Amino acid sequence: DTGVSQDPRHKITKRGQNVTFRCDPISEHNRLYWYRQTLGQGPEFLTYFQNEAQLEKSRLLSDRFSAERPKGSFSTLEIQRTEQGDSAMYLCASSPPWGGDGYTFGSGTRLTVV
Amino acid sequence: LAKTTQPISMDSYEGQEVNITCSHNNIATNDYITWYQQFPSQGPRFIIQGYKTKVTNEVASLFIPADRKSSTLSLPRVSLSDTAVYYCLVGDRDNYGQNFVFGPGTRLSVLP
Repeated sequence: DTGVSQDPRHKITKRGQNVTFRCDPISEHNRLYWYRQTLGQGPEFLTYFQNEAQLEKSRLLSDRFSAERPKGSFSTLEIQRTEQGDSAMYLCASSPPWGGDGYTFGSGTRLTVV
Repeated sequence: LAKTTQPISMDSYEGQEVNITCSHNNIATNDYITWYQQFPSQGPRFIIQGYKTKVTNEVASLFIPADRKSSTLSLPRVSLSDTAVYYCLVGDRDNYGQNFVFGPGTRLSVLP
């Protein structure tokens, strides 16, 4: 396993379109996290899963944002009706149940809304 | 959630030791201190984690005083490739993923 994989690496979309990003965590990690990072800022937590259960979603930025992890493996983050303010890097991370120093981030998906 | 404060930027030269200090006055008893490194267009990468005193690994050392209200990341003999943003985070070791509060970090520039 080579780490956390995110796809696509880059996405350009027109305002108002829907976009979906995929994250494949490290196979033995049961926790999966999504973050958003804007230029010059640190990553901002959005939501996380333990296996297939979404345990925290109150910090998703609006109801246009949703995430799924249907089989407890890969996850998708969807943004509906994109706005220019959604332009950012979307990062995924995974960790084993005990957390610790096992948090591993993917390289992110850079979204540009034009 | 414990808030952290660190310098926005630092400059250094190749071969020097770099020390980045982070303040976390409200750290809780169960909180660990973790440092991440981030290069442009990549996700953060774990560097080191500690609870108290000193921790050392192959890339860095982490110094934590007895009151744990601050910590210092020490990078020995930096090279150009150490130019990156460094983040200090505090949180419960088993649950801090969802409690990560990343500040803007410290932008380290290593000059030749």
